Amino acid sequence: SAVISQKPSRDICQRGTSLTIQCQVDSQVTMMFWYRQQPGQSLTLIATANQGSEATYESGFVIDKFPISRPNLTFSTLTVSNMSPEDSSIYLCSVEIAGGPKNIQYFGAGTRLSVL
Amino acid sequence: LAKTTQPISMDSYEGQEVNITCSHNNIATNDYITWYQQFPSQGPRFIIQGYKTKVTNEVASLFIPADRKSSTLSLPRVSLSDTAVYYCLVGGNYGQNFVFGPGTRLSVLP
Repeated sequence: SAVISQKPSRDICQRGTSLTIQCQVDSQVTMMFWYRQQPGQSLTLIATANQGSEATYESGFVIDKFPISRPNLTFSTLTVSNMSPEDSSIYLCSVEIAGGPKNIQYFGAGTRLSVL
Repeated sequence: LAKTTQPISMDSYEGQEVNITCSHNNIATNDYITWYQQFPSQGPRFIIQGYKTKVTNEVASLFIPADRKSSTLSLPRVSLSDTAVYYCLVGGNYGQNFVFGPGTRLSVLP
């Protein structure tokens, strides 16, 4: 398994500003993922962040709005840029461990973002 | 990616066994079936995974029929703390994107 820490756990931001969310893992992992979960809804994958390459974004998500960094095998950041109230959501990171059980992802507790 | 269908919500009482069935008619040969549990204000947590027949761990059992077009998560003797959303996912390859469906919102009543 893996222990994932996300910071901040929550934040309240003004529209037009940006917030960077950090995800730290206690072991080296190749695959990291960022999800969004709107209140009362299911999770939607934003992008896959692989170390050493650019993130791969899902349909409806673009790099200018959600830039991602992946400087090493234990850390990633997701920035929510030029925020609007529609960006109010929970943002979660997850990891998949190579050589471990298939398709099991381990999730952080999430970052609850409110945009005023 | 195989699409999954689950009941949107279920109610149960403490001490009962709860069975949540997930349909995945277009499951591929190399796909595994994985269930997650999510409590409010937490990320999803892995419960159980299987490929065929029956899998049991300390938390739940997973029943998969021979055609693998559905699976049933069984929670024995639920308690109030089992109130959560349960997600069924199907996938096969390392790094394959997960598509979370709406999940099943289980409410356990006293």
